[in-house]
Amino acid sequence: AQKVTQAQTEISVVEKEDVTLDCVYETRDTTYYLFWYKQPPSGELVFLIRRNSFDEQNEISGRYSWNFQKSTSSFNFTITASQVVDSAVYFCALSEDQTDSWGKLQFGAGTQVVVTP
Amino acid sequence: DTEVTQTPKHLVMGMTNKKSLKCEQHMGHRAMYWYKQKAKKPPELMFVYSYEKLSINESVPSRFSPECPNSSLLNLHLHALQPEDSALYLCASSQVSKSARLETQYFGPGTRLLVL
Repeated sequence: AQKVTQAQTEISVVEKEDVTLDCVYETRDTTYYLFWYKQPPSGELVFLIRRNSFDEQNEISGRYSWNFQKSTSSFNFTITASQVVDSAVYFCALSEDQTDSWGKLQFGAGTQVVVTP
Repeated sequence: DTEVTQTPKHLVMGMTNKKSLKCEQHMGHRAMYWYKQKAKKPPELMFVYSYEKLSINESVPSRFSPECPNSSLLNLHLHALQPEDSALYLCASSQVSKSARLETQYFGPGTRLLVL
């Protein structure tokens, strides 16, 4: 069963627009971690953020911000004032604190963000 | 420094060839991973090494053979591959915490493999 859902396949925006990427996850664990990674066309997965299930504080890092809501099992990601360099595929991922799932990052399908000048 | 390096960047091989992919990290991480990523899909976990021992094998065909010669190096030996094995192969590394909880995985740039 899909544990991480990124319903948006592709989002196209014009530079300087804000863009929000949705991520909904499913787990029965009380302890888990959520991640966002960026994959530009070059292919490398770039780590952006990690959040544990006990830390619902929203976070801002420059033009990036994240909204974690356990009540709705969502971990959404917003890029403010988008730039062409933000064009990439963004993956949300879940890690559960179970011995038999150690080392397994469960990725969503990814959202392609296209920022045009 | 959160750098994971992979060589080669691109590889073209025939179905009868034997080749190896290499991955290196110098962050002191004791867990290393191989992922396979097909176009427009998320990465899929293949293998996990923890303290140089294979801890997870996600039912990968035996034509893929991983090796972890030391804590900094991870290899993936390829033999008799099929065209459907063409993909981006990503290596990652992470710390290993005492509680076995997942630490952040840092990825390399990948090797783009084409099997003819």
